[in-house]
Amino acid sequence: KAGVTQTPRYLIKTRGQQVTLSCSPISGHRSVSWYQQTPGQGLQFLFEYFSETQRNKGNFPGRFSGRQFSNSRSEMNVSTLELGDSALYLCASSSTSGGGLRDTQYFGPGTRLTVL
Amino acid sequence: GNSVTQMEGPVTLSEEAFLTINCTYTATGYPSLFWYVQYPGEGLQLLLKATKADDKGSNKGFEATYRKETTSFHLEKGSVQVSDSAVYFCALTPSSGNTPLVFGKGTRLSVIA
Repeated sequence: KAGVTQTPRYLIKTRGQQVTLSCSPISGHRSVSWYQQTPGQGLQFLFEYFSETQRNKGNFPGRFSGRQFSNSRSEMNVSTLELGDSALYLCASSSTSGGGLRDTQYFGPGTRLTVL
Repeated sequence: GNSVTQMEGPVTLSEEAFLTINCTYTATGYPSLFWYVQYPGEGLQLLLKATKADDKGSNKGFEATYRKETTSFHLEKGSVQVSDSAVYFCALTPSSGNTPLVFGKGTRLSVIA
């Protein structure tokens, strides 16, 4: 089975721009979650989607948003980029049982975003 | 609240040395416990997991036992290789509710030949 895929792998943007990251979960997985990883803050949860609905949200400003499509693929968007948004953005998917975040999370390789 | 505490790194070992990375947790009930590994420039890979007390997770020579009495999930490997150099994260998910993984800060392991 193919793993979680994320595109693009690397992205360079300037302050004030917006960016969209994409995540394709493992086939059959319906829950997709997003995490931000930075050296200072470590791994922080952004949000989780299940069946096209946001079920859980972390403590991030409204500039961070996401959505999920009917095929379970997910996108996250960051508007009005700030220097502090530079990070590795990781997507994870979990199994079909519907347990969502309680099920084992399988991570993609991440998208490395650099904001200049 | 829920939290995970890992030993501070970096940890530097010679090849074939014994590895222990300590992990303790705070959570109510019986959380599921995980070790993830992150190789340079990559995302997180699930290394092993345990979902109930006294369970032992194992994979690729690594193992960890879920100890409810000491709220610990220490990672061990009998003989490390250079290819094990990576950052290791201990994590938990609570036993109820739909709440995200809680990660430790990670422990960087460097294995030298």
